Amino acid sequence: AQKVTQAQTEISVVEKEDVTLDCVYETRDTTYYLFWYKQPPSGELVFLIRRNSFDEQNEISGRYSWNFQKSTSSFNFTITASQVVDSAVYFCALTGTTSGTYKYIFGTGTRLKVLA
Amino acid sequence: SQTIHQWPATLVQPVGSPLSLECTVEGTSNPNLYWYRQAAGRGLQLLFYSVGIGQISSEVPQNLSASRPQDRQFILSSKKLLLSDSGFYLCAWSHTSWNEQFFGPGTRLTVL
Repeated sequence: AQKVTQAQTEISVVEKEDVTLDCVYETRDTTYYLFWYKQPPSGELVFLIRRNSFDEQNEISGRYSWNFQKSTSSFNFTITASQVVDSAVYFCALTGTTSGTYKYIFGTGTRLKVLA
Repeated sequence: SQTIHQWPATLVQPVGSPLSLECTVEGTSNPNLYWYRQAAGRGLQLLFYSVGIGQISSEVPQNLSASRPQDRQFILSSKKLLLSDSGFYLCAWSHTSWNEQFFGPGTRLTVL
């Protein structure tokens, strides 16, 4: 069965602190894709990144970075020097070749509060 | 570029009334389309997905239904709303099942 676990329900940090959001997944697929989405207070989900199971290179985009480790089935997301605008709910998601076609498995989300 | 529209943005309906939420996508053809529901403070629940006109797959049996009358139009309906139907409804599209999904602005539905 496919599963995505975001154990951190809510995290609060002070502005300029670094913060890491954890994502642990379960899948039997050899080919699968992982995603991170941001849901600001407005409600619309915003796509941040997609990673396939064959690419374990870490990625950095500005203050955002992602650490994909197949050995621990984790795809963690780090925000460096957090800002108030980073306050949102962040979702990790998974889809794979045998997950049932055309559907994603989303985690329950982590609410990040960045305090000024 | 592609855009996705949803309406209405907010809706307050009495129990037992019908529902129709509409979603349209512009700037792409033959997208995969999805309806999700998000209860307050909760994660996303996939309700329906569609890979083509008239092709609907249901993930959660309930009093909701979906239709795709045109390539880029996806409609969520109910004949009689329940209190438990309250929530935030999101429409999304993707090029394929392995690609990222792009979400609409959502509809906040309150059933009283």
